[in-house]
Amino acid sequence: GAVVSQHPSRVICKSGTSVKIECRSLDFQATTMFWYRQFPKQSLMLMATSNEGSKATYEQGVEKDKFLINHASLTLSTLTVTSAHPEDSSFYICSARDRGRGRDTQYFGPGTRLTVL
Amino acid sequence: QQPVQSPQAVILREGEDAVINCSSSKALYSVHWYRQKHGEAPVFLMILLKGGEQKGHEKISASFNEKKQQSSLYLTASQLSYSGTYFCGTEVTGGTSYGKLTFGQGTILTVHP
Repeated sequence: GAVVSQHPSRVICKSGTSVKIECRSLDFQATTMFWYRQFPKQSLMLMATSNEGSKATYEQGVEKDKFLINHASLTLSTLTVTSAHPEDSSFYICSARDRGRGRDTQYFGPGTRLTVL
Repeated sequence: QQPVQSPQAVILREGEDAVINCSSSKALYSVHWYRQKHGEAPVFLMILLKGGEQKGHEKISASFNEKKQQSSLYLTASQLSYSGTYFCGTEVTGGTSYGKLTFGQGTILTVHP
């Protein structure tokens, strides 16, 4: 079964509104989660690293005031796209590394498809 | 810097083999391989942590040459379900965050009956 969940899976919103996306690790704790964005037929581009209990680290060119990240617990990170515009329409995917109990696997959530009208 | 994958696309008939390569300009700590189907999130295949390591997963295996900063994914006796886009994700040595991956541009694999 899924070990990283995302909610919602799909969202359509009007330009100017804010959208919140949740990412949860279901049966392991993740002190670090990652947020990626993927445009059609392109690769995954890392947006930011979400750190539990501290500020997120953003990649070059990603506006931290536009993409707010909060990692309030060891199993939950949220990405808020503020004042969304059509160019923000994309597939947003989170991931988390599980190194517990002899495992070493990086799981991706199922993704959230954002469409801004 | 983004790792380079080759080939960009490959078309196979069921039962044929394929090799996908991933090459980095930076020293690597690990290489991850994923398969993504259209409209879905990437699915983890395997992670390679040590130089020269080779791993297998049924008919899919991979090698990691730390010295050459390269990894290869081997698909043998391909099945229709293998179709999708394959991405390698690389984690550099001395990176700032554990688990931070940079992805290659992807290799589109199509398996025909």
